[in-house]
Formats: sequence, C-alpha cells, structure tokens
Amino acid sequence: ETGVTQSPTHLIKTRGQQVTLRCSSQSGHNTVSWYQQALGQGPQFIFQYYREEENGRGNFPPRFSGLQFPNYSSELNVNALELDDSALYLCASSKGSDRAYEQYFGPGTRLTVT
Amino acid sequence: AQSVAQPEDQVNVAEGNPLTVKCTYSVSGNPYLFWYVQYPNRGLQFLLKYITGDNLVKGSYGFEAEFNKSQTSFHLKKPSALVSDSALYFCAVRDLNYGQNFVFGPGTRLSVLP
Repeated sequence: ETGVTQSPTHLIKTRGQQVTLRCSSQSGHNTVSWYQQALGQGPQFIFQYYREEENGRGNFPPRFSGLQFPNYSSELNVNALELDDSALYLCASSKGSDRAYEQYFGPGTRLTVT
Repeated sequence: AQSVAQPEDQVNVAEGNPLTVKCTYSVSGNPYLFWYVQYPNRGLQFLLKYITGDNLVKGSYGFEAEFNKSQTSFHLKKPSALVSDSALYFCAVRDLNYGQNFVFGPGTRLSVLP
C-alpha cells in the first residue's frame, strides 16, 4: 500500500451538483496529480499541482478545478456535474514534478452521477 | 501527440508459465516508460520504469520489461506466472514535450490459471 489516501471512498451525486474530492499525499511528496478512470479505460490525466501551483493540465473543461495546500494535500472540485463524470477519480503523489519520478496512487474515489 | 497502445485486452497464461504483456508507444521525444498494476477496487501500483540505460529493466514482484527503441515497444514480462499476478496492467509514457502528464494505455487484463 502507498501512503496516499483519498476521501470519500464512494460518492453519489445528482447531475448539476458540485463535488469536492480530497487527497493526502505520501510523506515527502510535493506533487499531486489527478486522474479520471472511466469504466474499462486507462486513467486520463486531469491536472497536476506542484508546490501549490497548477503545473500541467489535460483535456478537461474548466469546471474541473483543484487546489493544493501547504501540507501538499489536494482537492479536486467538479462543478455542474454531468452523467459522463461518473468514474473512479485517482490521486497520485510524487517526490517532484520531474518526469522521471514514478507516481504513487491512492485507492480512488468512485463518483456516480445520476 | 503521445499515445500508448496495449494490443491485447486479455492475456491468459497457466501458472508457472512465462507471461508477456505487450505495450507500444508513440512520442515525439525520448520516452520515459512505466508499468502499473491495478487490483480490483484498488489504486494503481508502480511496477517498474525505464528512463535510460540498460534496455532490460527489473521491477517489483519478479516483473521485468524490455525497452526496444526501434520497435517503440516496452513489453512486460515475468518468467513464471503466479495466480496472484491476475490483475489489470497499464503501460504509461511521459514525454517532456507534453508537460508532466502520464499517458496511459487502455490496460490489459491478465488471468493466470491454476
């Protein structure tokens, strides 16, 4: 098991609502990345935070936003939820933003939008 | 654009036999390549990575992978499969030209039969 934790484990929301997912990074890691994993697919990169600043973003609309806190924990916020947002949301932390660093993943938050 | 292909959705192998899970990639620069494994209802676990150097990379749980630049491949291998190796395997690439994000393949489900 990695030291990355995520909360909540499961979440059910209604279309149009807003949701906040949380992630605590592994000790000693200053970089957090968020991914969306739809059923039967590989994870898709949403964005990365390095030392509290957004440090890269994938092909996701602005209603997906995030924060990183001084202790390097992070939040993913999704506004105006759509049915297609139903997925497993994975948080990953790493020692730095350099591409050589492997990322350590949390167990994920399963979001269901009805 | 960078991309990763895993040509087999499913690989079946008998316990004790060697296993191979295939991965090919497309990047514009030098690739950093990774393999992750995902067990049911769990996050992704890091297995191994290729950054530079020896084309044969050894990783966790007896897995290894061979980098082949001419064939743009990074196949995952294990000399003797265990039933407990049954899981979903993802190949991923990072390319400096595309920022900090991982691009994951669609995944290959490995079933090791007793």
